Amino acid sequence: GAVVSQHPSRVICKSGTSVKIECRSLDFQATTMFWYRQFPKQSLMLMATSNEGSKATYEQGVEKDKFLINHASLTLSTLTVTSAHPEDSSFYICSASFSDTQYFGPGTRLTVL
Amino acid sequence: QKEVEQNSGPLSVPEGAIASLNCTYSDRGSQSFFWYRQYSGKSPELIMSIYSNGDKEDGRFTAQLNKASQYVSLLIRDSQPSDSATYLCAVPISGGGADGLTFGKGTHLIIQP
Repeated sequence: GAVVSQHPSRVICKSGTSVKIECRSLDFQATTMFWYRQFPKQSLMLMATSNEGSKATYEQGVEKDKFLINHASLTLSTLTVTSAHPEDSSFYICSASFSDTQYFGPGTRLTVL
Repeated sequence: QKEVEQNSGPLSVPEGAIASLNCTYSDRGSQSFFWYRQYSGKSPELIMSIYSNGDKEDGRFTAQLNKASQYVSLLIRDSQPSDSATYLCAVPISGGGADGLTFGKGTHLIIQP
């Protein structure tokens, strides 16, 4: 149980384009999901908390207009990186909370050319 | 801002020996503690959670928590080459089980065959 999926696993895009990443809880309902970012040789950093049916909560320093989060159902949260630039290239990982424990999706590696 | 500190390593341990990983945290009010394992290029997977002072054992893994000293450790007995990975210590940002996590930078563990 407590399986979280992400799609796509890898994406390469041109600078200035937008990229959408999906995060799904497969066998449980998640009112709260989380989005993290991990740069090479660094640890995970929380970007935002995605709340079903309400606005996301962003961590300090994360631009909410650049990283759009939608949590339209109890099993799906999406992260859209708008007008992506090379500095946005990173490993984006979502997680969902189940029984007070977070389970992580497999991650999406974004490369912006 | 909660801080989680780990020795980045690498920590090199011979196969079959005990690997000891340590983590300290800044917020005395933290109640939940998690150890995740992350293989290169993959997302974190949960190894152990611990909430009370003392030891918690799960197979070859033992988590130890000392709230007075604000440290949590992970012991891996009978270390195997497949245990070679980065081990991340994490605490909830706001103390609740449904909160995002603050991660340490991780300890890179190498099990020598």
